[in-house]
Amino acid sequence: ETGVTQSPTHLIKTRGQQVTLRCSSQSGHNTVSWYQQALGQGPQFIFQYYREEENGRGNFPPRFSGLQFPNYSSELNVNALELDDSALYLCASSRLDLTGELFFGEGSRLTVL
Amino acid sequence: AQTVTQSQPEMSVQEAETVTLSCTYDTSESDYYLFWYKQPPSRQMILVIRQEAYKQQNATENRFSVNFQKAAKSFSLKISDSQLGDAAMYFCAYRSGGSARQLTFGSGTQLTVLP
Repeated sequence: ETGVTQSPTHLIKTRGQQVTLRCSSQSGHNTVSWYQQALGQGPQFIFQYYREEENGRGNFPPRFSGLQFPNYSSELNVNALELDDSALYLCASSRLDLTGELFFGEGSRLTVL
Repeated sequence: AQTVTQSQPEMSVQEAETVTLSCTYDTSESDYYLFWYKQPPSRQMILVIRQEAYKQQNATENRFSVNFQKAAKSFSLKISDSQLGDAAMYFCAYRSGGSARQLTFGSGTQLTVLP
């Protein structure tokens, strides 16, 4: 069974640029969610996708957007990068059922200069 | 909105000893789940243990057990017979009982295991 994989693992951008992070869900999972983890803090929920539609969003501005594809892989896009966007971005997949255990990837470390 | 508080930024334990990590939460919901996740230096969040709020019995997974006090809104994690591989950041997390999978995390406790 293939786990959750994310790419790239590390990247550096400058303020004002745009970034796309990618995630492949675990086999059999139809729900994907994204979290932002600033250094020394707990992850914060960005949004969740189910059947290619956003069905939950945290307190993040519209310049954070996402996509889920028919094969349940996903992208996180961030426009107009700010210094505070520097963080570890975690992707998690799950089945939309009662247990709904989340399986996390190893994250993409974004540094904004 | 739900909040999760971990008041111990760092903890240490001797190998083979027992350690308890604390977590409190605030919610007005009656149906919810609580989790402990472990995040080693590899960065991947790993589920340690889960507790359903409607279950009075405390969850146990091998050396890991919880003390779930629903009225006090407390959810502590006990690690018995600590091993070097237990060293990691531990996060307490809350999820509502509906279809949303959104987790609310605490700020974490860094656990060091001393040989």
